[in-house]
Amino acid sequence: GIQVEQSPPDLILQEGANSTLRCNFSDSVNNLQWFHQNPWGQLINLFYIPSGTKQNGRLSATTVATERYSLLYISSSQTTDSGVYFCAPTKGAGSYQLTFGKGTKLSVIP
Amino acid sequence: ETGVTQTPRHLVMGMTNKKSLKCEQHLGHNAMYWYKQSAKKPLELMFVYNFKEQTENNSVPSRFSPECPNSSHLFLHLHTLQPEDSALYLCASSQAGGIYEQYFGPGTRLTVT
Repeated sequence: GIQVEQSPPDLILQEGANSTLRCNFSDSVNNLQWFHQNPWGQLINLFYIPSGTKQNGRLSATTVATERYSLLYISSSQTTDSGVYFCAPTKGAGSYQLTFGKGTKLSVIP
Repeated sequence: ETGVTQTPRHLVMGMTNKKSLKCEQHLGHNAMYWYKQSAKKPLELMFVYNFKEQTENNSVPSRFSPECPNSSHLFLHLHTLQPEDSALYLCASSQAGGIYEQYFGPGTRLTVT
């Protein structure tokens, strides 16, 4: 299966700071999602981004499939951004399986 | 609110009990999934149903028994669980399997005593 590595594992930010989270994967993928898991366990979809760049408000994501990585940018961070961020690629056109990384735990402090 | 609901949200059960987890999606999707999230481990896919047919079973012990009566509902029947089965159980759905975006429910936090 695909190996997924996320960095950094933990990140503490002052409110208002910017950050970049990285996701490396070991094989070619045809789908990649970024999620935010809040403290209550709910996974919220952030981006569906098998390739290219997308932006949604203060968040943006870039996937370079040929180089096997994806980046999540958070700008002007807020305390509500705290939680764990997961990337989850899928390999193969017929595969149903999202392979999750261990996540980046983000803490935004006032 | 993602359009996927799960009940109960919390469950405590003994090792000899039988219980069921329920998932319902209101998104018109055709694929549904069960994931397990244990402490300090990545989310693991357990089962996949596509158009009510089970298409993946990731070597899950038989004490976990899934049921998908229609494309909107998914159950996970639990029987004689072990304490190490304590975890957050997440349900997800997508338009179909494979390349489509998955949407997750809030999860059921299960404690086996």
